[in-house]
Amino acid sequence: RKEVEQDPGPFNVPEGATVAFNCTYSNSASQSFFWYRQDCRKEPKLLMSVYSSGNEDGRFTAQLNRASQYISLLIRDSKLSDSATYLCVVNRGYNKLIFGAGTRLAVHP
Amino acid sequence: GAGVSQSPSNKVTEKGKDVELRCDPISGHTALYWYRQSLGQGLEFLIYFQGNSAPDKSGLPSDRFSAERTGGSVSTLTIQRTQQEDSAVYLCASSTRTSGGSSTDTQYFGPGTRLTVL
Repeated sequence: RKEVEQDPGPFNVPEGATVAFNCTYSNSASQSFFWYRQDCRKEPKLLMSVYSSGNEDGRFTAQLNRASQYISLLIRDSKLSDSATYLCVVNRGYNKLIFGAGTRLAVHP
Repeated sequence: GAGVSQSPSNKVTEKGKDVELRCDPISGHTALYWYRQSLGQGLEFLIYFQGNSAPDKSGLPSDRFSAERTGGSVSTLTIQRTQQEDSAVYLCASSTRTSGGSSTDTQYFGPGTRLTVL
């Protein structure tokens, strides 16, 4: 079993839709959590950190459930430019990041 | 300012040859990481340098892989006797610091080196 598991998708949604991605992690000692975005043939870039209290950045909302070892990302009012692969990332400690394989999102007109 | 740079951007080599991949981190970043990403896979941690401390090599897949970081800045990842399964994108990242298990600084990634072993 992989340490970080994500549904690979693809999620095909129309512009304006709301879409949610989920992620589970197996190491209960994991310390911090992130969503990264990776465009095709580009490097990953930090989208947002994920906190237990939930956090929001514009159209993006991230949530962490430590008890269930579950992380989510909600994107509201999807834009064409949101099309990318979204990587769930867990910090195991000492900044050693463990990446999920990613969930692909395709937003169409 | 300048981001993380990597060279070459693409490398095609024959099975059995040695290759060297280079990473220039963001100036002032003391932590440097190497990852690789195979087609359709997530990033796989390879090695991590922090300041003058001994590197964390726990992710290196075999003894054919090695890395060094000279002068606390530029890093070179070397793959000896390349195999076809080494084909992947090798990504380097840097961050300002890591001060222990609970500290996390954003890792900034370079554009990667796409390695193809024929």
